[in-house]
Amino acid sequence: QVQLVESGGGVVQPGRSLRLSCEASGVTFSNYGMHWVRQAPGKGLEWVAVIWYDGSNKYYGESVKGRFTISRDNSMNTLYLQMKSLKTDDTAVYYCAMSDSSGFYPETWGQGTLVTVSS
Amino acid sequence: QSILTQSPSASGTPGQRVTISCSGSSSNIGTNYVYWYHQLPGTAPKLLIYKNNQRPSGVPDRFSGSKSGTSASLVISGLRSEDEGDYFCAAWDDSLNSPLLFGGGTKVTVL
Repeated sequence: QVQLVESGGGVVQPGRSLRLSCEASGVTFSNYGMHWVRQAPGKGLEWVAVIWYDGSNKYYGESVKGRFTISRDNSMNTLYLQMKSLKTDDTAVYYCAMSDSSGFYPETWGQGTLVTVSS
Repeated sequence: QSILTQSPSASGTPGQRVTISCSGSSSNIGTNYVYWYHQLPGTAPKLLIYKNNQRPSGVPDRFSGSKSGTSASLVISGLRSEDEGDYFCAAWDDSLNSPLLFGGGTKVTVL
């Protein structure tokens, strides 16, 4: 059974950086694309980024482009999201999700990690 | 404001049929697959429908999806109390700088 466990969330001041991790188990991690999706308190889902199974392609949402970097270590079964120049609007629960066979859409989701950007 | 437009709420009594719509454009729904997700409060989203009308293993057959032109629909036939929650559509977009789009979500209430 596929399991995705996010970590690294917490409270951070505006302008600072934070790195999230997502460890996968129960699956051949290197076969699947991976997404980050976030959800601000009381709001809907906002797609953040996707990385191809081999790391060859990465795409970002407009609101995080240039500030966030998605990466992966297939030897460690781990996905990362490096977040820089954080803003209060980045406050959200961040979910990692594994792509389905199409590679483009999230299929299996982690439980999420809360990031609060506040002074 | 989301590019994929969903009505904010829907409701019905147990056993009723509820339809949730998702409206987009030629660069997203008109060209690419639509996926649907269900989210209960405080939990992660769960995939409900993939590739417009396919149900993952374990999803009851009272859930069905369809797509026509630049719109998609999710139908819950025989509404049950556990179907409450938020429903989100998603579609890849060929033109925007944010390739994957989510709808704003529809909150379903079982009366």
